[in-house]
Amino acid sequence: AQKVTQAQTEISVVEKEDVTLDCVYETRDTTYYLFWYKQPPSGELVFLIRRNSFDEQNEISGRYSWNFQKSTSSFNFTITASQVVDSAVYFCALSESYSGAGSYQLTFGKGTKLSVIP
Amino acid sequence: NAGVTQTPKFQVLKTGQSMTLQCAQDMNHEYMSWYRQDPGMGLRLIHYSVGAGITDQGEVPNGYNVSRSTTEDFPLRLLSAAPSQTSVYFCASSLYGRDYEQYFGPGTRLTVT
Repeated sequence: AQKVTQAQTEISVVEKEDVTLDCVYETRDTTYYLFWYKQPPSGELVFLIRRNSFDEQNEISGRYSWNFQKSTSSFNFTITASQVVDSAVYFCALSESYSGAGSYQLTFGKGTKLSVIP
Repeated sequence: NAGVTQTPKFQVLKTGQSMTLQCAQDMNHEYMSWYRQDPGMGLRLIHYSVGAGITDQGEVPNGYNVSRSTTEDFPLRLLSAAPSQTSVYFCASSLYGRDYEQYFGPGTRLTVT
């Protein structure tokens, strides 16, 4: 079973639409950390947000917002009024204390490719 | 402040050849790691290091070696390249470890023929 599931492989939206990228995770730990990274077409990976398992407050940063719900093991990412520059692959990631056969792992989802059409 | 640098940017190898991908950071980060990115697979951890002299395996370590003789450098060695190692390789560093923001290098695109 995947530890981090991003069920949406590709999403296309028209500019100015809102879009939500889903992330569902699986862990046995009570202490863990969740991340979102952005990979624009240029290829570099850019950190967006970090959230620890004890902080369920939603966070907003400009047009970006994140909804963390432990009850559903989800950490979803919403872009409001999308822009062409938001076109990228977005990765959700999980860091947990216990990860079975491989400790100290930061596990990434497979990514969601977002295309914003002008 | 260069951040995380990787060389080369592109490399083509023949099956069986060996080579070293270089990674360096100038942020005095203790934690460094190597990932490979394959289409539809996300990023998978190859090896990581929590400080000079300390390395450990990640999810997909077979066919790769690492060493960490200094805080700054974390080279990844391909012992005998195979077509299955065709991928984009990213090096990352973090001040406090995997629970914190990772700074990624620009990546190395490797093709093994």
